Amino acid sequence: AQKITQTQPGMFVQEKEAVTLDCTYDTSDPSYGLFWYKQPSSGEMIFLIYQGSYDQQNATEGRYSLNFQKARKSANLVISASQLGDSAMYFCAMRGQNTGNQFYFGTGTSLTVIP
Amino acid sequence: NAGVMQNPRHLVRRRGQEARLRCSPMKGHSHVYWYRQLPEEGLKFMVYLQKENIIDESGMPKERFSAEFPKEGPSILRIQQVVRGDSAAYFCASSPQADNEQFFGPGTRLTVL
Repeated sequence: AQKITQTQPGMFVQEKEAVTLDCTYDTSDPSYGLFWYKQPSSGEMIFLIYQGSYDQQNATEGRYSLNFQKARKSANLVISASQLGDSAMYFCAMRGQNTGNQFYFGTGTSLTVIP
Repeated sequence: NAGVMQNPRHLVRRRGQEARLRCSPMKGHSHVYWYRQLPEEGLKFMVYLQKENIIDESGMPKERFSAEFPKEGPSILRIQQVVRGDSAAYFCASSPQADNEQFFGPGTRLTVL
């Protein structure tokens, strides 16, 4: 079975500071992908970053980086230099090699950037 | 290249009515996925379709819910005899291949009165 856990229901960060959003996962698949999505108050799901389980390096996309620790089964999202527009819900998701093509989502973390 | 389109964006139904949610995938994408997001929760997989075929419906409730993706036209998620518990945001995603990244639509917010 696949499971994604996000233990931080809400987080606050000062503008221009960095923030880490936690995500742990559980899977028996030998190959899997980890994703982060942003959901602003308007409701759409915006893809941020992807990490493959066999990727040697941590993924980075602009101000977003993924701190992937395979042995600990964690895939934390780091947002550097936070901006007011970063305030949103953030979802961690996983897709496994042997579990079809469906995504498994965590319950999300609400991030508020304080000016 | 337009993104995934969903309509309507908001839908209000009374208990017992039918809800039809439409999803037009991105151009060139033949794989469509439906997810449901209940208030304060993450998205939950419902069904995965390719053109004219249901590939995986393991997340779909056994009764009242059905989905199709015809050869021509959008994918349809149909909910018959809606109940208050069906109130949620329904997201559609599409991908060009089965194991590619999924691109999400803006969602349809269903409210059952």
